[in-house]
Amino acid sequence: KQEVTQIPAALSVPEGENLVLNCSFTDSAIYNLQWFRQDPGKGLTSLLLIQSSQREQTSGRLNASLDKSSGRSTLYIAASQPGDSATYLCAVGPGGTSYGKLTFGQGTILTVHP
Amino acid sequence: GAGVSQSPSNKVTEKGKDVELRCDPISGHTALYWYRQSLGQGLEFLIYFQGNSAPDKSGLPSDRFSAERTGGSVSTLTIQRTQQEDSAVYLCASSSPLGSGGRVYEQYFGPGTRLTVT
Repeated sequence: KQEVTQIPAALSVPEGENLVLNCSFTDSAIYNLQWFRQDPGKGLTSLLLIQSSQREQTSGRLNASLDKSSGRSTLYIAASQPGDSATYLCAVGPGGTSYGKLTFGQGTILTVHP
Repeated sequence: GAGVSQSPSNKVTEKGKDVELRCDPISGHTALYWYRQSLGQGLEFLIYFQGNSAPDKSGLPSDRFSAERTGGSVSTLTIQRTQQEDSAVYLCASSSPLGSGGRVYEQYFGPGTRLTVT
């Protein structure tokens, strides 16, 4: 059974810092990995999706990397801003026919203070 | 364009009652997913529909839970004889089919329905 772990559980940083969020998964037979953010009381917003054949994806100040063989992904946020404060969730999609069945980590609660 | 929409946004029901939660996916998305988010369990997969294929129901926690998707679009998640442990936020997502453009299988989520069973 796939298990996804995110470290740290919570992170508080001053504005402007570069930071790294970590995600690890136990079964490397994945189809893709997706990073989301969730604001309090809201649904999930997709940030980046990395397919298993890719090593990284970038969007603006965000960069996500994937090392499938070691079961790890990192989300790098450059020049953090207070608006980045949210819960960040990592989710992996399995290979085979169940690709849509995402398994989520517990999330990292990020607070960026001015 | 319009995103995934869900209704109602909040639902309070008494234990033992049946509830129906609705999801309208993004137009043209053939895959639709239901997840549940609760304090103790995090985000859990419930069920997903892909085109005309039989749905993957492997995440449904009991036979009190069922879902259907009519006309390949709108979906309804039904919980019968609700229990207090069913209290959670129910999230729906949809994704585009392979080769349609955009990022393959990227799931787009709705705002969720918060269900409270008293």
